[in-house]
Amino acid sequence: QVHLQESAPGLLKPSETLSLTCNVSGDSMTGYYWNWIRQAPGMGLEWIGNAYYRGTTNYNPALESRVTISVDTSRNRLSLSLTSVGAADTAVYYCARGTGSFPGRFDPWGQGAQVTVSS
Amino acid sequence: AIRMTQSPPSLSASTGDRVTITCRASQPISGYVAWYQQKPGTAPKPLIYAGSSLQSGVPSRFSGSGSGTEFTLTISCLQSEDVANYFCQQYYSYPFTFGQGTRVDIK
Repeated sequence: QVHLQESAPGLLKPSETLSLTCNVSGDSMTGYYWNWIRQAPGMGLEWIGNAYYRGTTNYNPALESRVTISVDTSRNRLSLSLTSVGAADTAVYYCARGTGSFPGRFDPWGQGAQVTVSS
Repeated sequence: AIRMTQSPPSLSASTGDRVTITCRASQPISGYVAWYQQKPGTAPKPLIYAGSSLQSGVPSRFSGSGSGTEFTLTISCLQSEDVANYFCQQYYSYPFTFGQGTRVDIK
């Protein structure tokens, strides 16, 4: 059974770059889309973007200018880079798998990684 | 972006009650809706996909319905373990978007 585990960068200062990884175990990344989703404290869920296993990407226009998502199938790893972070980027960040036919059908999810941006 | 408007924001019901949560899309999205359950400190858990298909392992008291722009999640007989936040989500088009959530408590 596939398992997703996000890294935990913890605390960042404003204007720094957030870098997160999601390790995929129990299955190959082949054939799937790999998504990042975040949830600010007490708020709803926001889709950040995804990468197909072959490397093509799709981003939320609200974040597109600051986001880069990539996959490394040899290491079974998904990565997220978010530049110029601010307090509004404080959130729990989740990785989630989407199917080849339905990239936005998220199952399973990782446990989440808390990211706090504070000076 | 497609807006998903979820209601009510919160509800309180007794165990055994039938509970209904509604989600309205800002444009037609066929049946491309998923529902998730989230308990405090945990990741969202998929409940329903394609509007009405039950995810494997999810109790049959959960059901989904709707198409086009109106969708509902129903819990037929509320249990104490169903206390959680529930979110709808459309995967009809990019960017994928979520409803704001419904908090379900026991009265």
